[in-house]
Amino acid sequence: QVQLQQSGTELVKPASSVKISCKASGYTFTSNYMHWIRQQPGNGLEWIGWIYPGNGNTKYNQKFDGKATLTADKSSSTAYMQLSSLTSEDSAVYFCAVGFAYWGQGTLVTVSS
Amino acid sequence: DIQMTQSPASLSASLGETVTIECRASEDIYNGLAWYQQKPGKSPQLLIYNANSLHTGVPSRFSGSGSGTQYSLKINSLQSEDVASYFCQQYYDYPYTFGAGTKLELK
Repeated sequence: QVQLQQSGTELVKPASSVKISCKASGYTFTSNYMHWIRQQPGNGLEWIGWIYPGNGNTKYNQKFDGKATLTADKSSSTAYMQLSSLTSEDSAVYFCAVGFAYWGQGTLVTVSS
Repeated sequence: DIQMTQSPASLSASLGETVTIECRASEDIYNGLAWYQQKPGKSPQLLIYNANSLHTGVPSRFSGSGSGTQYSLKINSLQSEDVASYFCQQYYDYPYTFGAGTKLELK
């Protein structure tokens, strides 16, 4: 069965960076788009972008250009999202999702000094 | 960006009742629409894709319909486990965008 296991809760300082992981299993990692989605406290969902692990191609929501960087490691079937120049506005739960059909459990990122 | 306007924002219904949630796109999205269910502290779960296709394993009391800019999610015979928030999403054009959500509670 398809499983996406995300890394744990992060408490980070303003202006720093954080890298979240999403380990995939149960399907062909290189042949499916991996999406990343943000959910701020009490708010709705925002699509950040996708990566196609087979060739490393990416597509970003312009809102997250310069904020998020998506990468993938084919050898370990793991997708990553790095968030940079963090502010309190970046405090949220971040999800990975393969084709939007299967989602990870979410990673809470809290930005606080 | 395509704006997705979802209504109502909240909804209270009784067990066994039929519930309908609406989603309006700011332009034609040609059935590029999905519906999700999200319970507190959990990740969203896909219910419907391509406006009216039921995702694997989703109970048949859920159905989607619509075209153009107007779409709806119907839940027949409401069950207690259906208490959740529901979101629509368009994936016709970038950036993909979501509705603000509908919180469904039991009356």
